Amino acid sequence: DGGITQSPKYLFRKEGQNVTLSCEQNLNHDAMYWYRQDPGQGLRLIYYSQIVNDFQKGDIAEGYSVSREKKESFPLTVTSAQKNPTAFYLCASTPPGGFYNEQFFGPGTRLTVL
Amino acid sequence: AQTVTQSQPEMSVQEAETVTLSCTYDTSESDYYLFWYKQPPSRQMILVIRQEAYKQQNATENRFSVNFQKAAKSFSLKISDSQLGDAAMYFCAYRLGGSNYKLTFGKGTLLTVNP
Repeated sequence: DGGITQSPKYLFRKEGQNVTLSCEQNLNHDAMYWYRQDPGQGLRLIYYSQIVNDFQKGDIAEGYSVSREKKESFPLTVTSAQKNPTAFYLCASTPPGGFYNEQFFGPGTRLTVL
Repeated sequence: AQTVTQSQPEMSVQEAETVTLSCTYDTSESDYYLFWYKQPPSRQMILVIRQEAYKQQNATENRFSVNFQKAAKSFSLKISDSQLGDAAMYFCAYRLGGSNYKLTFGKGTLLTVNP
């Protein structure tokens, strides 16, 4: 089955530690995205990548880093510089242009900082 | 920068009745797309309906339809014959035309369906 997988589903981290969230897709989509969701805030864009080896900052990139070494994978690292990392993180991807311009979402990762 | 506003943090509807969720957006562009996404308690985001700005005809998908008022920059979602499974958080989203597909979301409306 084609789709987007995010792992782990729940993640706990101690303050001061970096943590990496995984996002993999087998849909052959070019573009991938990371969003953060907080209660009452909707989804806010952290980083996005439209092609391998290239990515751009979104609206709230501070304290986060990404890489895009393979088309299928777009991991997000939450660094110790992120002041309030506890949130729900969603990864998404989009196929090449044309009719299918919607974003497809993964199931999300809930990160809790202890 | 584009912004999306959902003025109703919470709404409720009786089963089998109709409810309308509001969304307004701010843009100076003429080529864009609008979406409604549903997020049930599982937290999986599901596309409900989309609208291309250049199309005057309102989009419909079964019990879901939109009222797209381009001049007023309004994009409301109407759910007819509401079902218990419609209970979810609903997000309105905006995307600029062209090859950059990043979305700007509203803060969401939590819909409760009462039996």
